[in-house]
Amino acid sequence: DAGITQSPRHKVTETGTPVTLRCHQTENHRYMYWYRQDPGHGLRLIHYSYGVKDTDKGEVSDGYSVSRSKTEDFLLTLESATSSQTSVYFCAIRDGGNEQFFGPGTRLTVL
Amino acid sequence: AQKITQTQPGMFVQEKEAVTLDCTYDTSDPSYGLFWYKQPSSGEMIFLIYQGSYDQQNATEGRYSLNFQKARKSANLVISASQLGDSAMYFCAMIVLTGGGNKLTFGTGTQLKVEL
Repeated sequence: DAGITQSPRHKVTETGTPVTLRCHQTENHRYMYWYRQDPGHGLRLIHYSYGVKDTDKGEVSDGYSVSRSKTEDFLLTLESATSSQTSVYFCAIRDGGNEQFFGPGTRLTVL
Repeated sequence: AQKITQTQPGMFVQEKEAVTLDCTYDTSDPSYGLFWYKQPSSGEMIFLIYQGSYDQQNATEGRYSLNFQKARKSANLVISASQLGDSAMYFCAMIVLTGGGNKLTFGTGTQLKVEL
């Protein structure tokens, strides 16, 4: 158990509304990641963080922003949600080696 | 750019038999790592096994082994003695370690069904 929680676990929202997803970890890992999972695409990296206030873009970062003001929390924000952002969102941490361990996921539906 | 290809969208295996899930990768970077994850119907992503490009021996973790053939750029997962609980989606993934090793690239997955 990598000590990762995500909230909310499920969310339904409307197009144009802002949405923030939270990832919380208890083990002080430096690296944290946000992925989205869509049918036919596997998981794709949105953004990642390599420390407090240090973030970088992944391959599908358009329409998303992130923040990390504390080591334990990594927030993903959709400033104005669109239907194309309906997906399952996974947070991950990287331990001392190269392995990444995932949280339970958040299912987001944008109507 | 990195690419992972899993050519088997679905596979069936009988309980107690071994099964191989295929994965090929493409990268020009000499330093990389290969992963396999399991995603059961409940949705969580479970780390199974990791192989570094410079590791001399194939990685093993219990009933899971990674058949790493560098020249062929393949990293197949072998599950020995399949169990009903192995029924799940399996993802192969790669990370390039040069520059920090932060961008994990996934394949599209293989759905494995274990039958009695």
